[in-house]
Amino acid sequence: DAMVIQNPRYQVTQFGKPVTLSCSQTLNHNVMYWYQQKSSQAPKLLFHYYDKDFNNEADTPDNFQSRRPNTSFCFLDIRSPGLGDAAMYLCATSRGGQGNEKLFFGSGTQLSVL
Amino acid sequence: AQSVAQPEDQVNVAEGNPLTVKCTYSVSGNPYLFWYVQYPNRGLQFLLKYITGDNLVKGSYGFEAEFNKSQTSFHLKKPSALVSDSALYFCAVRDVGSSNTGKLIFGQGTTLQVKP
Repeated sequence: DAMVIQNPRYQVTQFGKPVTLSCSQTLNHNVMYWYQQKSSQAPKLLFHYYDKDFNNEADTPDNFQSRRPNTSFCFLDIRSPGLGDAAMYLCATSRGGQGNEKLFFGSGTQLSVL
Repeated sequence: AQSVAQPEDQVNVAEGNPLTVKCTYSVSGNPYLFWYVQYPNRGLQFLLKYITGDNLVKGSYGFEAEFNKSQTSFHLKKPSALVSDSALYFCAVRDVGSSNTGKLIFGQGTTLQVKP
């Protein structure tokens, strides 16, 4: 089945130690998103890619970076994780274009910072 | 500024009873409205959306939502709740500045608890 896959399911890192979360999709969608969700709160958009075009949210800290080497993969890099970055990170995709607003989410990566 | 409000943190219903999860919105122009459901430790799943057309929108798993422009509401409903419907429900509106993407603004979420 076509889907959005996030690895790992759980990630533990140390304070200040760089960490990378990965997302892949078999849907061939143009748009990929990274959301941060804390303690069953509303997901908060960090950034998204429309094809190769990167779009950063104004309030996303510089500590968060992203890479999209090809259509299928997108990575979230946290350069120096702080305790406040512990959260569920959700990757999502959409086809892009008018009428294609439906998002397809992965199962998320739960990040713990020790 | 555009926003979505879900006034109830939690809704409790008995299995078999009808359920309503409330959502109100504030946007300029015509709203694109969505409902997503999140089961524990999982990503969000799309339930339904309203773009234009009939005010009553039918979606997955027997859910429906009613768009009410005068009340700026988009409440989620189901005629007969199941225990398996217990989950976290998010209402969302498309960011009006994002005409080509699914960039959404989510409400705070409502936990639905259906008791046997």
